[in-house]
Amino acid sequence: KAGVTQTPRYLIKTRGQQVTLSCSPISGHRSVSWYQQTPGQGLQFLFEYFSETQRNKGNFPGRFSGRQFSNSRSEMNVSTLELGDSALYLCASSLRGTYQETQYFGPGTRLLVL
Amino acid sequence: AQKVTQAQTEISVVEKEDVTLDCVYETRDTTYYLFWYKQPPSGELVFLIRRNSFDEQNEISGRYSWNFQKSTSSFNFTITASQVVDSAVYFCALSVGGKLIFGQGTELSVKP
Repeated sequence: KAGVTQTPRYLIKTRGQQVTLSCSPISGHRSVSWYQQTPGQGLQFLFEYFSETQRNKGNFPGRFSGRQFSNSRSEMNVSTLELGDSALYLCASSLRGTYQETQYFGPGTRLLVL
Repeated sequence: AQKVTQAQTEISVVEKEDVTLDCVYETRDTTYYLFWYKQPPSGELVFLIRRNSFDEQNEISGRYSWNFQKSTSSFNFTITASQVVDSAVYFCALSVGGKLIFGQGTELSVKP
């Protein structure tokens, strides 16, 4: 079974631009979660989608948004990029997104904001 | 508040040594799961082990073992006979409400 895939793997943007990251979950998984990893703040939860609905959201500004499609693929968008948005963005999938389930992670998208 | 603390920032061992990674967590939830993930330089988080809050039985899986003690809110992870390929950052995580709360990670360096 193919794992979680994320595209693109690397991105360079400038301040003020917007960016869209994509995540394809493991086949059959309907829950997709996004995490941001930075050296200063570590791994932080952004949001979680299940059946095209956002069920959970972390403590991030409204510039961070996401959506999920009917095939469970998910995208996250960051508008008006700031230097501090430079990070590794990780996507994870699980069957239903319950606390008991293991979340499986993709390789991440490394975003550099200049 | 829910929190995971990994007090060890970096650990360096010589190959074949045993190494224990410490994890302490805080939660008011009575049901939760705890996880360990490994992050090699490539960046992907690799799932290693998980334990639910009701099961304090400690287990061994190959070179990995874990010690879960609810009374001290600790979930420590041991690698026996470490190998150079074990070099990575290891994260302990608490699963509550459908999201993972991660510790700051412990960077393990295994030298030949």
